[in-house]
Amino acid sequence: SQTIHQWPATLVQPVGSPLSLECTVEGTSNPNLYWYRQAAGRGLQLLFYSVGIGQISSEVPQNLSASRPQDRQFILSSKKLLLSDSGFYLCAWSVLGRAEAFFGQGTRLTVV
Amino acid sequence: GESVGLHLPTLSVQEGDNSIINCAYSNSASDYFIWYKQESGKGPQFIIDIRSNMDKRQGQRVTVLLNKTVKHLSLQIAATQPGDSAVYFCAENWGTGNQFYFGTGTSLTVIP
Repeated sequence: SQTIHQWPATLVQPVGSPLSLECTVEGTSNPNLYWYRQAAGRGLQLLFYSVGIGQISSEVPQNLSASRPQDRQFILSSKKLLLSDSGFYLCAWSVLGRAEAFFGQGTRLTVV
Repeated sequence: GESVGLHLPTLSVQEGDNSIINCAYSNSASDYFIWYKQESGKGPQFIIDIRSNMDKRQGQRVTVLLNKTVKHLSLQIAATQPGDSAVYFCAENWGTGNQFYFGTGTSLTVIP
């Protein structure tokens, strides 16, 4: 069966510090991968998606970047965090042709 | 009834009643429409999807209706239970990356 792992679950970082959130998927090959951000009491905003190794599409301009060094690994990064980067970050995967995305448990990031 | 809160619309229903959650979508070219349930502090979970060439689909205690004329999607939950209390999101699925774009969400509270 397929599983998705996302860590850490919570993170408190000072303004200006770097960020690295990691997501890995098991049990499937060549998944589409996604990073979403959810502000408190709001919907999910698609930040990045990837259809293959090294292929990253950005949905909105921002202080974040994504990388996919391996087929089932997706990383969200920032060189210098801003207060506005606080939120609930969710990684997800899907396969082409299926209208279902499977989400990780999320990382709650607080920038102080 | 339904009201607009600070961020999320809210809906309160009595246990055992039926719930109807509505969503307006934007992209006429979406391939699929999906409903997700998100409990506090967790990632969204898939409930049901409907292909764009359909107008109704039923699952276990849930029915999704699609009205493409007015770009409207609804989720009906029969015999609502306390465990149904959560935030419900509709999502559109389209694009070369099989992207999922989420609506604002509706917070459902079931009153025992």
